[in-house]
Amino acid sequence: DADVTQTPRNRITKTGKRIMLECSQTKGHDRMYWYRQDPGLGLRLIYYSFDVKDINKGEISDGYSVSRQAQAKFSLSLESAIPNQTALYFCATSDLRRGLAGESGGELFFGEGSRLTVL
Amino acid sequence: AQKVTQAQTEISVVEKEDVTLDCVYETRDTTYYLFWYKQPPSGELVFLIRRNSFDEQNEISGRYSWNFQKSTSSFNFTITASQVVDSAVYFCALSEDNYGQNFVFGPGTRLSVLP
Repeated sequence: DADVTQTPRNRITKTGKRIMLECSQTKGHDRMYWYRQDPGLGLRLIYYSFDVKDINKGEISDGYSVSRQAQAKFSLSLESAIPNQTALYFCATSDLRRGLAGESGGELFFGEGSRLTVL
Repeated sequence: AQKVTQAQTEISVVEKEDVTLDCVYETRDTTYYLFWYKQPPSGELVFLIRRNSFDEQNEISGRYSWNFQKSTSSFNFTITASQVVDSAVYFCALSEDNYGQNFVFGPGTRLSVLP
């Protein structure tokens, strides 16, 4: 089983509908992220969370909201979906460990992605 | 502000050729971290390497090698003797802290390795 699991993997919806993408992780990481991937633009950060009580906006948070229900769960909501929110969405986690000596952690671990199409 | 540029949008090579993917970054910080990720056609993002700004040693892992040069703000990725399974989109990324808070990705380079 994947360490970072996203549901649904694919979703087609209509303009104006509310959509929730869910992410759960078994890595035990405190930090969780939602990214959006569009062709030619790489990945852009929507929201991130350092722990259950901490939520932060990323580069492109407008039109999105998030909920950190538990350390292992981080969901992304589109309150009223619009066509330009059609994209591939990724959840990611990272470890808190700092280390210039004996480095470990720091990289993002991604889920398998959720492809959302808004008609 | 941070920025990552991958000037090569698409590259096609024939199997067994060597190929280099370019990555140029911009940052004002003296401490930062550079990454490469692979996205195969199946869509998942696979972590390849992480390098901190204090370590300019080149790294080799099998057919993969990375050349980090602070003088030119580049972190290039070379695949030696490419294989069809190397076909993917490759992303270079920059983080100005060790926590992924300010993680910026380049637009990606699509590599096609032809048999």
